[in-house]
Amino acid sequence: AQTVTQSQPEMSVQEAETVTLSCTYDTSENNYYLFWYKQPPSRQMILVIRQEAYKQQNATENRFSVNFQKAAKSFSLKISDSQLGDTAMYFCAFMSINAGNMLTFGGGTRLMVKP
Amino acid sequence: EPEVTQTPSHQVTQMGQEVILRCVPISNHLYFYWYRQILGQKVEFLVSFYNNEISEKSEIFDDQFSVERPDGSNFTLKIRSTKLEDSAMYFCASCDRVEQFFGPGTRLTVL
Repeated sequence: AQTVTQSQPEMSVQEAETVTLSCTYDTSENNYYLFWYKQPPSRQMILVIRQEAYKQQNATENRFSVNFQKAAKSFSLKISDSQLGDTAMYFCAFMSINAGNMLTFGGGTRLMVKP
Repeated sequence: EPEVTQTPSHQVTQMGQEVILRCVPISNHLYFYWYRQILGQKVEFLVSFYNNEISEKSEIFDDQFSVERPDGSNFTLKIRSTKLEDSAMYFCASCDRVEQFFGPGTRLTVL
């Protein structure tokens, strides 16, 4: 079974600064996907970014980028130029291609962006 | 832009009652999921559904739970006899290949 660990329950950052959220996972699979989801106070789950394990290049989506270290089973999220609207819970998630495509989530990191 | 919808947004029920949570997935998606999130905790997988049958289910998804796609558009989660510990947000998601699109969730409160 896969496990996903987010070691930072809460983080804060000043507006316009950069913050990195950590995620590690454990799996014996070789083909999988990793995701970061954002959950604002509305509790809607919004996909921020995804990474295919077979790709060495780190994914980037505007101000969001990841540092994917496959050997270390690490998948951190970097948010550049933080905005007040980035305040939310952030969940790291793992999906095995061979196990029904279900998502296994980490415990989440609550990010507060301060003005 | 197509989106997953869920009804109701909030359901309050008495312990022991049956509830049905409804979801309308994105129309051309083939994979459907239910997840739940107890307040303050992580999101947990319940069940996945493909080709009109359950493809995977978690330990949480016991005999009290069932899923159905009654009419080709709706996707429902039924809890037969609710317990206090079933109080949670329930999210439906649908997927065509990789990315899962989540609905806004149904908040279930069991009294």
